[in-house]
Amino acid sequence: KQEVTQIPAALSVPEGENLVLNCSFTDSAIYNLQWFRQDPGKGLTSLLLIQSSQREQTSGRLNASLDKSSGRSTLYIAASQPGDSATYLCAVKNYGQNFVFGPGTRLSVLP
Amino acid sequence: DAGVTQSPTHLIKTRGQQVTLRCSPKSGHDTVSWYQQALGQGPQFIFQYYEEEERQRGNFPDRFSGHQYPNYSSELNVNALLLGDSALYLCASRITGSDTQYFGPGTRLTVL
Repeated sequence: KQEVTQIPAALSVPEGENLVLNCSFTDSAIYNLQWFRQDPGKGLTSLLLIQSSQREQTSGRLNASLDKSSGRSTLYIAASQPGDSATYLCAVKNYGQNFVFGPGTRLSVLP
Repeated sequence: DAGVTQSPTHLIKTRGQQVTLRCSPKSGHDTVSWYQQALGQGPQFIFQYYEEEERQRGNFPDRFSGHQYPNYSSELNVNALLLGDSALYLCASRITGSDTQYFGPGTRLTVL
């Protein structure tokens, strides 16, 4: 059974800092991995999708990496802004299965 | 182009009651999934509908049931509500064969 964990649970940084969010999964035979953003009480917005054959994906200030052998993914946010404050969720999909989500990292970027 | 829409936004019920939540997928999408998100946790997969049939199901009891209509819209029904059913219920849609899901804003269910 796939299990997904995220560290840290919460993170507070000053504006302008670069930061890394971590995601770990137990079953490395994944189909893809997706990072989402969730604002309080709202739905999820897809940020980056990495296929199992890929090592990383980039979108603007965001870069996500995938290391299947170690069961890890990282989300790198460059030059953080207060508007980046949200909960970031990692979701892993195995073949023939639906997404399994981690508990999320709650990020606060202070002005 | 409207995204995924859900109704109602908020709902308050008492234990033992039944509830129906509704979802309209993004235009062109034919697959709908439902998730339950308890406070402070990640979403948990309930079930997925395609071609008006339940195709996959997560670890949820039979009190949770669903339906998909020919226009691809979907309903989530929960019977005999428990306090533990209080959560944000999220609907997600995609085009079959695509890996990208689009989520709705959710329905906040409170069971008293």
